[in-house]
Amino acid sequence: GQNIDQPTEMTATEGAIVQINCTYQTSGFNGLFWYQQHAGEAPTFLSYNVLDGLEEKGRFSSFLSRSKGYSYLLLKELQMKDSASYLCAFMDSNYQLIWGAGTKLIIKP
Amino acid sequence: GAVVSQHPSRVICKSGTSVKIECRSLDFQATTMFWYRQFPKQSLMLMATSNEGSKATYEQGVEKDKFLINHASLTLSTLTVTSAHPEDSSFYICSARGGSDYEQYFGPGTRLTVT
Repeated sequence: GQNIDQPTEMTATEGAIVQINCTYQTSGFNGLFWYQQHAGEAPTFLSYNVLDGLEEKGRFSSFLSRSKGYSYLLLKELQMKDSASYLCAFMDSNYQLIWGAGTKLIIKP
Repeated sequence: GAVVSQHPSRVICKSGTSVKIECRSLDFQATTMFWYRQFPKQSLMLMATSNEGSKATYEQGVEKDKFLINHASLTLSTLTVTSAHPEDSSFYICSARGGSDYEQYFGPGTRLTVT
């Protein structure tokens, strides 16, 4: 079967670093996506990993280990505007996205 | 590039009426479009996948006669909620994918309220 799991909620302090983990199980895999979603808005694309390793993009980095079925999103120098839900999703063998439930990130001053 | 628009952004309708939501890819040809529904504090739920010129593929539990999807061109897909009821009130989001591009580009969403 297929499943994907991420924490429901995390809290971090402005200026700090936070890592949001995502684990998945699937027989067919075509990459893992991270999206950011502010309340009442549609998701916006953050990153896509299809090979193992770390992809860095400004303050955000995403890591993938295909053998472990594991990814994380790393956010550095947190800002208040980073308060949002972060959705991980893997693309299965049919190129369809299977979504996690999202991690609500709360940034405190 | 890769902009997807949705119209309307908000709609309020009376129970029993039908509502049409449009999803357009503005600067690319969308071979595949996806329709999602999201209830408050929940994740995205895929309703259906549509490929241009063919019938949509609905996810289990989604009534195809109630949620009519038309993907008549490479830039436009429509979702019609027929005989809407208050429990259909939700945030409906479309996304689109181009030919060889695996990324899904999301529209801004449509908030439907059925009174």
